[in-house]
Formats: sequence, C-alpha cells, structure tokens
Amino acid sequence: AQSVTQLGSHVSVSEGALVLLRCNYSSSVPPYLFWYVQYPNQGLQLLLKYTTGATLVKGINGFEAEFKKSETSFHLTKPSAHMSDAAEYFCAVSLLGKLSFGAGTTVTVRA
Amino acid sequence: SQTIHQWPATLVQPVGSPLSLECTVEGTSNPNLYWYRQAAGRGLQLLFYSVGIGQISSEVPQNLSASRPQDRQFILSSKKLLLSDSGFYLCAWRGRGWYEQYFGPGTRLTVT
Repeated sequence: AQSVTQLGSHVSVSEGALVLLRCNYSSSVPPYLFWYVQYPNQGLQLLLKYTTGATLVKGINGFEAEFKKSETSFHLTKPSAHMSDAAEYFCAVSLLGKLSFGAGTTVTVRA
Repeated sequence: SQTIHQWPATLVQPVGSPLSLECTVEGTSNPNLYWYRQAAGRGLQLLFYSVGIGQISSEVPQNLSASRPQDRQFILSSKKLLLSDSGFYLCAWRGRGWYEQYFGPGTRLTVT
C-alpha cells in the first residue's frame, strides 16, 4: 500500500526564513507525489507534483520539492517565507487514481 | 480552462434531516470525480469516487451515498444526518491520464 508521513504537525518560521516541510513516502512501485496547500475554509490547491523525470520540482508561490528515492522523501522548501504562506500543507501519493494524504502540517509565519 | 463548483458553501442541518451536496466540473469531459471529508483531527478522508456516469465506488461504510447522474455532476447525499457527519466536504476531479486532482472550494456542514 502507498502512504505518506508528514513529520511535524506544526511549523513556525520567521518571515524571510527558510520553510522546510518534511514528507516521507512508502510505495511498492515508483510513486507519483504531490504537495497541496489549504488556506482556512478553502479547498486544496496543487503546489507541485512529481511523476517522472527531473527530481527537483518547482511549483507555484516559490515552492520546490526534491524527490529522493534513496531516502523515500519528498520534502517541500521555500527559501524565504512570506506572511501569505501561513496555511496547512498536505503531502500526497497517488495509487490507481486515488490520493493518499498525509496528516498535514500547519505553517505559522512570524513577523 | 477547467473549473469546479460546489454548493452550498455552508450548511447547518438538524440531526435526522436529509442532505444533498452538489459538485459540477466545467471545461473537461469524462473526468474522475471524488468526494472527501475533512473532520477535525481526522485529516482528509476519501468517501467516494466515480470513473463514469452511474459508477460509484465507496471507500468507507457510512451514512452517506453518492450519485453521478451526468458526466460532470457528482452528488453527495444522506437520508438522515448524524452529528458525526459534520465536517468540510471537498469535491475533486482528475483528468483522464492525469495523476493530480483538483479540488473545489468545499462545503462546510454543521449538523446540530
């Protein structure tokens, strides 16, 4: 079965600091991996995806993630946090057309 | 471009009342459609998915049902709501041959 584990349910960063959200996956086949962002009382928005090819994936809003097969990881980073990055972030893995989500990480940005 | 709509945006219903939530997708044909629920402390739970008209797969046994009467319409229903049905309901679609899903704005359901 495919699954993802997000390390840390809450992350607090200062404005301008690095944002690092951790995601590890478990998969018996090459995984398709995703990061989504959710703002309060809104739906999920796709930040970026990894399917095949380049292992460093760039997404919207300055986020990027690197697929590391040897570490079974797909961590999300942003070099400089902005107040608008405060939201909940979900890592997900796809299997047979269905997504399995991590528990989510809430990001707080301090001024 | 494709868009996905859900309504209503918010709903407050008494226990034992019926439920109907609607989701429609524009700008694509023959999408896969999904219903999820977010409840406090329980993350995102896949409830139903559909690969075509009239084809519904249920992921968890529950008080809810789903239907797909048209290609781009997905309905979530209940005959009698329970308190535990409260939550944020999200509809999503996936294009044929795609891997990612795109989500609607959600419906906040409070059962009182």
